[in-house]
Amino acid sequence: DAKTTQPNSMESNEEEPVHLPCNHSTISGTDYIHWYRQLPSQGPEYVIHGLTSNVNNRMASLAIAEDRKSSTLILHRATLRDAAVYYCILRDNYGQNFVFGPGTRLSVLP
Amino acid sequence: ETGVTQTPRHLVMGMTNKKSLKCEQHLGHNAMYWYKQSAKKPLELMFVYSLEERVENNSVPSRFSPECPNSSHLFLHLHTLQPEDSALYLCASSQANQQARYGYTFGSGTRLTVV
Repeated sequence: DAKTTQPNSMESNEEEPVHLPCNHSTISGTDYIHWYRQLPSQGPEYVIHGLTSNVNNRMASLAIAEDRKSSTLILHRATLRDAAVYYCILRDNYGQNFVFGPGTRLSVLP
Repeated sequence: ETGVTQTPRHLVMGMTNKKSLKCEQHLGHNAMYWYKQSAKKPLELMFVYSLEERVENNSVPSRFSPECPNSSHLFLHLHTLQPEDSALYLCASSQANQQARYGYTFGSGTRLTVV
């Protein structure tokens, strides 16, 4: 699996935007970029994914660098409920299954 | 609810007990997974079933025994566990060979404590 690198932790103030970075310099042309988050004592939940173009959904936006070697998950207005561990994972349909790294622990301060 | 239901949510068992964890999905997926998450560690993939056949077993001790009777149900049978097996056990499902486009759906997990 192509490897991703994320900061161990980040802090944000409530109602401010949060930019969570992910580096994936060894990404291949068929790898999708997936983001999941895990709230305390729960299973991971899907946030967003993309291949080449930037993506928006009701939860977040995903900005993908032109060379695809990095991406940024954007939470437009952080709430206390967004405090979680955020995982950036690369996947294609032909390789092994989802492998989770340590992710980024996001703290949201009131 | 995410569409993947795990029972029980919490389980305390002695080292000599036998118990089973259950996972059920009605999302029309045909691949199911067991993950283990120990305290302060990343998720570890344990078993993968695709189209009801086990396709991956990541060197998991034999005291963990999976069963997938159909594409909607997945079990993890437990016997003679050790205290270090205490963890959050997570089930997930996906469309086989489409997980890159559609991803996984996880259950809420079973918090297992071995005493």
